[in-house]
Amino acid sequence: GAGVSQSPSNKVTEKGKDVELRCDPISGHTALYWYRQSLGQGLEFLIYFQGNSAPDKSGLPSDRFSAERTGGSVSTLTIQRTQQEDSAVYLCASSLAIGYEQYFGPGTRLTVT
Amino acid sequence: GQQLNQSPQSMFIQEGEDVSMNCTSSSIFNTWLWYKQDPGEGPVLLIALYKAGELTSNGRLTAQFGITRKDSFLNISASIPSDVGIYFCAGRIRGNAGNMLTFGGGTRLMVKP
Repeated sequence: GAGVSQSPSNKVTEKGKDVELRCDPISGHTALYWYRQSLGQGLEFLIYFQGNSAPDKSGLPSDRFSAERTGGSVSTLTIQRTQQEDSAVYLCASSLAIGYEQYFGPGTRLTVT
Repeated sequence: GQQLNQSPQSMFIQEGEDVSMNCTSSSIFNTWLWYKQDPGEGPVLLIALYKAGELTSNGRLTAQFGITRKDSFLNISASIPSDVGIYFCAGRIRGNAGNMLTFGGGTRLMVKP
């Protein structure tokens, strides 16, 4: 079946602009996760959803970052007033439920100029 | 937050060589995972380990969950060109709400010219 998809695949934006990144999880997966990967680095956990709720937002780097998930499916990660240090690949993963293994999408490469 | 130390950071291989990489942590993990990431793609799960001492194989890949629960290694036997990529270890701590994974910094596998 279809895997996790993310859009856009690449996004170049000017410093100070807002961006929205989208994740479509695998159909039937109730848990969804966002990670950030800086160049040459490992993955940094940002936030997870169980259904539509996000019990723990402490991984978000600043209050400019927010995420929502509606209908238990698609999720958007919004970064307001982007800064150059926000440049990274943003990866989304989904799992059947909490405790099951995570499957990753291809990521969105964000470049803030 | 928790840290996973992954080594080596990079290595060159010649086709046919065996490869070994490992991850260590100061924290106890109840799950160890090994992922491979190709350029422009998200990480793909290779092997999952759930019990201390567990040794699991997936084709030419073998991974072990350390007895202390603070380390894991991944071996690749008889490497081939398509093994090139970045390998990440990831761990999950018992009782970690949200199934959050902590990732190592990655081991970049390259082919000797």
